[in-house]
Amino acid sequence: EAGVAQSPRYKIIEKRQSVAFWCNPISGHATLYWYQQILGQGPKLLIQFQNNGVVDDSQLPKDRFSAERLKGVDSTLKIQPAKLEDSAVYLCASRQGSGGYEQYFGPGTRLTVT
Amino acid sequence: GNSVTQMEGPVTLSEEAFLTINCTYTATGYPSLFWYVQYPGEGLQLLLKATKADDKGSNKGFEATYRKETTSFHLEKGSVQVSDSAVYFCATEGDGGGFKTIFGAGTRLFVKA
Repeated sequence: EAGVAQSPRYKIIEKRQSVAFWCNPISGHATLYWYQQILGQGPKLLIQFQNNGVVDDSQLPKDRFSAERLKGVDSTLKIQPAKLEDSAVYLCASRQGSGGYEQYFGPGTRLTVT
Repeated sequence: GNSVTQMEGPVTLSEEAFLTINCTYTATGYPSLFWYVQYPGEGLQLLLKATKADDKGSNKGFEATYRKETTSFHLEKGSVQVSDSAVYFCATEGDGGGFKTIFGAGTRLFVKA
């Protein structure tokens, strides 16, 4: 079974530029998560989708971050404009349902904002 | 909401030493508890979990017991190997946190040959 795919793996941009990350979850997984992991910290949930609907986006900085899940499958996370403090690894994860099922994580996208 | 506190690293051990990584949590009710591991250059993966009080999760020689009375979920292994070098994250989910997973800051383990 293929795992969670993310691209790009690395991205370097200047502040105030925009950037987009892509995630392809495991086939059949209804729930998709985006996490931000700042160096030395644990992952922090940004947004959770159930199929193509948003379940929780309470920690998403909506003035600059946006996310969508097309047709309940792939998802993109966008930052516009980027700030220095957005430098982090952005992790995508998926699970079959909600609670009680294992979350599977992608390899992450390492973003550096200069 | 839920929160997780785990011991700061890095932890450096010699091969075959005993490992303990402490984790305590705060939550309303009875969350599920997890340990995730991140090996160098790889993504996060679930190591073990426990869903109710006194449950013991185990995998790859690692164990952790859900202690409601002390709100703890300490990770232990009797004899570590060099291949166990990684970052370990304690996490909670459910009961007061919805199905949102709350992670600790992570503990980096180095095992020397």
